[in-house]
Amino acid sequence: GENVEQHPSTLSVQEGDSAVIKCTYSDSASNYFPWYKQELGKRPQLIIDIRSNVGEKKDQRIAVTLNKTAKHFSLHITETQPEDSAVYFCAASINQGGKLIFGQGTELSVKP
Amino acid sequence: DTGVSQNPRHKITKRGQNVTFRCDPISEHNRLYWYRQTLGQGPEFLTYFQNEAQLEKSRLLSDRFSAERPKGSFSTLEIQRTEQGDSAMYLCASSFDGQTEAFFGQGTRLTVV
Repeated sequence: GENVEQHPSTLSVQEGDSAVIKCTYSDSASNYFPWYKQELGKRPQLIIDIRSNVGEKKDQRIAVTLNKTAKHFSLHITETQPEDSAVYFCAASINQGGKLIFGQGTELSVKP
Repeated sequence: DTGVSQNPRHKITKRGQNVTFRCDPISEHNRLYWYRQTLGQGPEFLTYFQNEAQLEKSRLLSDRFSAERPKGSFSTLEIQRTEQGDSAMYLCASSFDGQTEAFFGQGTRLTVV
């Protein structure tokens, strides 16, 4: 069935360092890959997304890469700041706005 | 606030009782999704509606769970004969027909005691 695996489950970095979170998906029909940030007690919020017709997308300090052949996509955060501390979820869907299959989440801690 | 709204925010109930949650999506969104999130896990898909039609239900959704979206606007999720394993955050999300991202509500945290 549809499945998304996410690693690592926890990640601790020093302020200013980079953080990388990796996901793999099983459904080859997936072609939309969003990343959500969830702060404690709050709703998941979209931070960046990528469609399968591109290999990389960047928005300021955040970038996402996609390898459709390997069914693998990654989130890269550069120059991390304490306010980046949160749980990050990757997800896969067959279209934007469609049913999302989420990874298990990565708890990112940025130490000042 | 014109985002997705969920009520109540918190619900504590005794095992065996029925509970009902409400979700008000963004007004022009025709798709509405319910997800369940347990501590330390990603949201799990439960069911979704396109307008008033319920188009897909997860195998996770036992027959104690029922969802409705009678007029294609707000939706309700009812859990009958609650069990302790139903304790979770229930999230609602809405989108417009594959043309926008999914926007999430704040969730309803259910605790079954």
